[in-house]
Amino acid sequence: DQQVKQNSPSLSVQEGRISILNCDYTNSMFDYFLWYKKYPAEGPTFLISISSIKDKNEDGRFTVFLNKSAKHLSLHIVPSQPGDSAVYFCAASGDNKYIFGTGTRLKVLA
Amino acid sequence: NAGVTQTPKFQVLKTGQSMTLQCAQDMNHNSMYWYRQDPGMGLRLIYYSASEGTTDKGEVPNGYNVSRLNKREFSLRLESAAPSQTSVYFCASSERQDTYNSPLHFGNGTRLTVT
Repeated sequence: DQQVKQNSPSLSVQEGRISILNCDYTNSMFDYFLWYKKYPAEGPTFLISISSIKDKNEDGRFTVFLNKSAKHLSLHIVPSQPGDSAVYFCAASGDNKYIFGTGTRLKVLA
Repeated sequence: NAGVTQTPKFQVLKTGQSMTLQCAQDMNHNSMYWYRQDPGMGLRLIYYSASEGTTDKGEVPNGYNVSRLNKREFSLRLESAAPSQTSVYFCASSERQDTYNSPLHFGNGTRLTVT
């Protein structure tokens, strides 16, 4: 039973436009949510996070939104750049564990 | 400051062979984790160690054992490798035992093939 789901395996966006990546979770005990970016042959790198007491967190071009009632979070990248092309994983944490989604491959077209 | 270091980077095993994947972190983090990444499956937690001296099973622990050797090092052992264990293995660490507001830091992975 997958507790963290990313239903879109891939997404293509034009350079300069907004990229929106989505993530759903099932466990209401999760209290901290993270987004990671992964390039081929490298480990995932931490991008941005949000605690369950907030509904929005911004860091430069990256904004994460959390809708607790819907158990949904999203990552917005504005404006998208070709260097943003990577696989993005959302994760949820609680009880000493971090559970990851299956990832969304973002391709930003120049 | 190397962060999280994993060795080896690549390994090929025959079915039934054993091996240990090594992981060390130099950030004085309390918690360490082992994940495997498979196509379409994302990152799945194998084992974790919330603090030195403790280890716990994750989502997919079967076929693996772990040792938290000290605060820095957390190893993953395959006693009798199977083709289903062909994967990319990532070690990660976090600063605090409590995962709240404490992001994971990952190594660059070990690509393991079992034939």
